[in-house]
Amino acid sequence: EPEVTQTPSHQVTQMGQEVILRCVPISNHLYFYWYRQILGQKVEFLVSFYNNEISEKSEIFDDQFSVERPDGSNFTLKIRSTKLEDSAMYFCASRGIMVSNQPQHFGDGTRLSIL
Amino acid sequence: SQQGEEDPQALSIQEGENATMNCSYKTSINNLQWYRQNSGRGLVHLILIRSNEREKHSGRLRVTLDTSKKSSSLLITASRAADTASYFCATAERSDTGRRALTFGSGTRLQVQP
Repeated sequence: EPEVTQTPSHQVTQMGQEVILRCVPISNHLYFYWYRQILGQKVEFLVSFYNNEISEKSEIFDDQFSVERPDGSNFTLKIRSTKLEDSAMYFCASRGIMVSNQPQHFGDGTRLSIL
Repeated sequence: SQQGEEDPQALSIQEGENATMNCSYKTSINNLQWYRQNSGRGLVHLILIRSNEREKHSGRLRVTLDTSKKSSSLLITASRAADTASYFCATAERSDTGRRALTFGSGTRLQVQP
């Protein structure tokens, strides 16, 4: 069964450094999402992406964050200057286009640790 | 409570017993979805119920939705040790574009004792 893949599984970065998290969504999906989950807390929405542009973003997704679909398969989340509070699991998800009542399929996540 | 709040927060049962988890939400929704998360892993989609549906089954899972009470329940029958995980409900708000992100609850941690 097709799945969403994320790399790396674990990223350790110094505070203030830039980090890029990578995702390969399911191949025929057209809606893409990033979520994060701080340890012990809820999964929180960051941003959604459709037709090569951001559809929706949350308050968390400030100027330090950006997303890109550089080619036909990858979907990336960049954090420009990381802070300690950016430490979390970051999940990518994708959804098929058909109708709105389609589930989102999630990757296994990237654990980001900011030192 | 916040959008997509589950209850109980933690549940411990014996193998073979049924597990029931509840979820409440606040806004109008297109659908409600249940996900499972094993410790340190990603979210696995279990079942989606549309706002015009009242009950849905998938294997040992049974989901109900009461839009008048803005609540849903997930029942896992004949539980197994492998069902040990956190379970989250997530709502997709009603919108014209259907592009709404999911709003997750805090989850129920289910422990099934062998």
